[in-house]
Amino acid sequence: EVQLVESGGGLVKPGGSLRLSCAASGFTFTNYAMTWVRQGPGKGLEWVSGISGSDSNTYYADSVKGRVTISRDNSNHTLFLQMNSLRVEDTAVYYCAKDKALFLDGTFDLWGQGTAVTVSS
Amino acid sequence: IQMTQSPSSLSASIGDRVTIACQASQDITNYLNWYQQKPGKAPKLLIYDASYLQAGVPSRFSGSGSGTHFTFTISSLQPEDIGTYYCQQYESLPVTFGGGTKVEIK
Repeated sequence: EVQLVESGGGLVKPGGSLRLSCAASGFTFTNYAMTWVRQGPGKGLEWVSGISGSDSNTYYADSVKGRVTISRDNSNHTLFLQMNSLRVEDTAVYYCAKDKALFLDGTFDLWGQGTAVTVSS
Repeated sequence: IQMTQSPSSLSASIGDRVTIACQASQDITNYLNWYQQKPGKAPKLLIYDASYLQAGVPSRFSGSGSGTHFTFTISSLQPEDIGTYYCQQYESLPVTFGGGTKVEIK
């Protein structure tokens, strides 16, 4: 089955860290760029970060640059998002999504179910 | 690039034609996608490159436009179409989404 399954969300204090994971199955993971999109409570969608398929070029939104690192393990078909120095405004459901292309094209044709991150003291 | 959707919400009857507008703050040619998000679920790609129907998506959904003005249409609203619809540009990074249009059944 073609799917993405996120994990790693939870409750963390401001300034803390979390590592999100996204396990991919049913498609050739190496052949596609991957991305993280988040959605704050009652809010719209915000692109967070993306990574190309083969050469792993990385891209970040200004709101998270310097605090977040995206990476991928192509041998284990897994995408990661390491989040440090978390802020209250990072509270959101984080979705991983598959791009239609090897390089970050920006068309996301498969999404995971999301993992919730809450930053609160 | 800022994406502005209108209306922010709408209520229509089953079988009605529903139209959502999306305006980009600058020319994005046809680098525009539409997603559907049902309550409590992940977004789903419906339309890519402004007017191409994603595989498996019902033909009552369509998109048009280029440059800065785009339109999404449901030709005959069905009960399963309730949810929020987002436009998204990918002409340049960061990709950005419109604020969403919540579609309800009257």
